[in-house]
Amino acid sequence: ETGVTQTPRHLVMGMTNKKSLKCEQHLGHNAMYWYKQSAKKPLELMFVYSLEERVENNSVPSRFSPECPNSSHLFLHLHTLQPEDSALYLCASSQTGTGIPYEQYFGPGTRLTVT
Amino acid sequence: AQTVTQSQPEMSVQEAETVTLSCTYDTSESDYYLFWYKQPPSRQMILVIRQEAYKQQNATENRFSVNFQKAAKSFSLKISDSQLGDAAMYFCAYRSGPYQGAQKLVFGQGTRLTINP
Repeated sequence: ETGVTQTPRHLVMGMTNKKSLKCEQHLGHNAMYWYKQSAKKPLELMFVYSLEERVENNSVPSRFSPECPNSSHLFLHLHTLQPEDSALYLCASSQTGTGIPYEQYFGPGTRLTVT
Repeated sequence: AQTVTQSQPEMSVQEAETVTLSCTYDTSESDYYLFWYKQPPSRQMILVIRQEAYKQQNATENRFSVNFQKAAKSFSLKISDSQLGDAAMYFCAYRSGPYQGAQKLVFGQGTRLTINP
């Protein structure tokens, strides 16, 4: 256990569905991240939130919509996805500030399949 | 932009032996952090070891150690006395530093390590 939880662990959705992924961190961190892990590709950063504000959007299609209501929770809202969006979605958190080790702690991921 | 390359898609080692996983990176920055993460079949990404670029001494964590060659932009991971529980995907990652804010990690493609009993 790394202190970062994700729900659901598995999700199958049709291209016309709307669903949300949830991430919660219990580490007192103030930055949260969404990564996409596809087969045979490096992990790709999708979004970064620092102190509840989005600080990076890595050219992600608008069918992915992040939400960070507070420093402990991060959501990824999904709608009208494509089959190529099937992947493992990983959430991570870290602390920011002077003298901080900076490493990111990851959740177990949500395996998403788009049919 | 920074890039991270892991040239070994798969490696295998006998239990109790030593194995080295390779990682090279490309950057124009002088201050940064490097990490090795482990992802077992459970998919949980776990930090194995961290290296600050300004430190000349190689990081060590129990059976895990790195060989950090800054000039060559090389950051290999050595696992000593390999155990069955070490079987996993290993990812090398780069983080710009020493910025205090949230910074993304740039990952390599990963190396799948198999431990033979």
